[in-house]
Amino acid sequence: AQKITQTQPGMFVQEKEAVTLDCTYDTSDPSYGLFWYKQPSSGEMIFLIYQGSYDQQNATEGRYSLNFQKARKSANLVISASQLGDSAMYFCAMREGHGNAGKSTFGDGTTLTVKP
Amino acid sequence: EPEVTQTPSHQVTQMGQEVILRCVPISNHLYFYWYRQILGQKVEFLVSFYNNEISEKSEIFDDQFSVERPDGSNFTLKIRSTKLEDSAMYFCASSAESSSYEQYFGPGTRLTVT
Repeated sequence: AQKITQTQPGMFVQEKEAVTLDCTYDTSDPSYGLFWYKQPSSGEMIFLIYQGSYDQQNATEGRYSLNFQKARKSANLVISASQLGDSAMYFCAMREGHGNAGKSTFGDGTTLTVKP
Repeated sequence: EPEVTQTPSHQVTQMGQEVILRCVPISNHLYFYWYRQILGQKVEFLVSFYNNEISEKSEIFDDQFSVERPDGSNFTLKIRSTKLEDSAMYFCASSAESSSYEQYFGPGTRLTVT
């Protein structure tokens, strides 16, 4: 079974509007971290936001927020006030237990296109 | 802001040749990782490294791969005899010894095997 599922291969959003990118995960480990990365066409992986499994509040970083619903095992990324520069591939990832030695498992990614 | 660096940015090699991809993790980090991304596909974990030994490796990380921390700053991935299917972007990442799970990625090395 997929550990990280991103069901939206591609998404479109109008500039200045908000968009939600979906991510569901599967783990039996009570300790885990959830991440979102942005990968522009240049190829680098840019860390956006992190949510720990024990965090009580949803993570926010500027225009990015993570809608963490633990019971549903979902960790959707919300981008507010979309900008043309937000057009990129977005990956959801999870790291389970094992502290920092654990690997990250990535989803298939969602390509976001921001329209002017 | 400290960052993970990788060299070279692009490596072209012939099938069967050995390549070494180099990474300089963030200086106070203790956990190091290699990932790869075949063009258009998802990022795949290869190996994690801590305290001078491999912590975890994936089924992709077979005998043709090895990692080393030859000195206090570099972290290398060696592919002994490259195959066409090794063509990919290789990312190095590092994380600190803390309760946070944050992992910082380098810019990647694009390996092209011809």
